[in-house]
Amino acid sequence: EVQLLESGGNLVQPGGSLRLSCAAAGFSFSSYAMSWVRQAPGKGLEWVSGVNGRGSSTYYADSVQGRFTISRDNSKNFLYLQMSSLRAEDTAVYYCAKDGSFEMGTTLHSWGRGTLVTVSS
Amino acid sequence: SYVLTQPPSVSVAPGKTARIPCGGNNIGSKSVQWYQQKPGQAPLLVIYYDTDRPSGIPERFSGSSSGNTATLTINRVEAGDEADYYCQVWESGSDQYVFGTGTKVTVL
Repeated sequence: EVQLLESGGNLVQPGGSLRLSCAAAGFSFSSYAMSWVRQAPGKGLEWVSGVNGRGSSTYYADSVQGRFTISRDNSKNFLYLQMSSLRAEDTAVYYCAKDGSFEMGTTLHSWGRGTLVTVSS
Repeated sequence: SYVLTQPPSVSVAPGKTARIPCGGNNIGSKSVQWYQQKPGQAPLLVIYYDTDRPSGIPERFSGSSSGNTATLTINRVEAGDEADYYCQVWESGSDQYVFGTGTKVTVL
């Protein structure tokens, strides 16, 4: 059974930084691309960033390009999202999701339960 | 950027059929996924590659896609189907996943 557990969400001031983690289990982690998807309170889903199985190709939404960095540690089965220059509009629940293949661009088959990031002074 | 448009809400009586459209430029040429999200829960994949159902998803859920519209159909709607539904594609021009605006399905 695929298990994805996000952590690291917190209250942070505007302009601050935060690192989210996602612990993966129940599948061959390095064989699948992974993504971060967020959902602002009462709003829809917004894809944030993705990385292929090797970690060699990364992808970003325009709204976070240059501020967020996605990475993965295949030896530890962890996915990360380093967030900097945070803004109020980054406030959301952040989900970790497993793609359907090694490369990005298929489907988001499995999701974690999410971690809440609140950007406020 | 690529935009996927869904109606904000769809209402359906129990036992009837719900159809949720997802509009996008030439969406028929892309692979479309559909996700169900109930309050307080993570999204759940219900349709992938336009028409395929993951294991455990009832046959009442089906998908289709052609031209500028993809459609999620829920037959014999049950109270437990009440949720938000999102369509999604991979936009190869920008290398980004794109989600639809979401549709809230209400079972009357």
